[in-house]
Amino acid sequence: KQEVTQIPAALSVPEGENLVLNCSFTDSAIYNLQWFRQDPGKGLTSLLLIQSSQREQTSGRLNASLDKSSGRSTLYIAASQPGDSATYLCAPGGAGTALIFGKGTTLSVSS
Amino acid sequence: KAGVTQTPRYLIKTRGQQVTLSCSPISGHRSVSWYQQTPGQGLQFLFEYFSETQRNKGNFPGRFSGRQFSNSRSEMNVSTLELGDSALYLCASSPGTSGSGSNIQYFGAGTRLSVL
Repeated sequence: KQEVTQIPAALSVPEGENLVLNCSFTDSAIYNLQWFRQDPGKGLTSLLLIQSSQREQTSGRLNASLDKSSGRSTLYIAASQPGDSATYLCAPGGAGTALIFGKGTTLSVSS
Repeated sequence: KAGVTQTPRYLIKTRGQQVTLSCSPISGHRSVSWYQQTPGQGLQFLFEYFSETQRNKGNFPGRFSGRQFSNSRSEMNVSTLELGDSALYLCASSPGTSGSGSNIQYFGAGTRLSVL
């Protein structure tokens, strides 16, 4: 059974800092891994999708890496902004479309 | 292209009642998945429907059920509501090609259910 752990659970940084969010998963037999963002009381917004054959994926200030064999993914956010404040969730995807989520990292960026 | 639409956005029910939530997927998407999000358990997969058939199911009691219509719209029903069913219910749509490496799921804004 897939289990996903995200560290840290919460993070507070001043604006402009670069930061790394960590995600580990127990079953490496995945097809892909998605990173999502969730604002309070809202749904999920897909940020990045890394396929199992890829090592990393980039979108603007976001860069996600995947080390499938060790069951780890990281989300790197460059030059953080107050608008980046949200909860970040990772979800490895298996053979089906059911996603298993971690509990998330709640990020607060102060101006 | 319109996103995933969930209705209603908020619901208040009492214990023992039943409730039906609706989800309209992105046009052309054939797969709809439902998730429950609570502060204690986080996001948990309920079930997935593809072409009107339940294709995958999570570990929830039979009080939770769903269906999908020919236009891919999906409904989720919870019978005999319990206090613990209070949660944000999210649905996600995707093209539905199982096992695809590019099967991104797009989420709706959710329905917040409060059971009193």
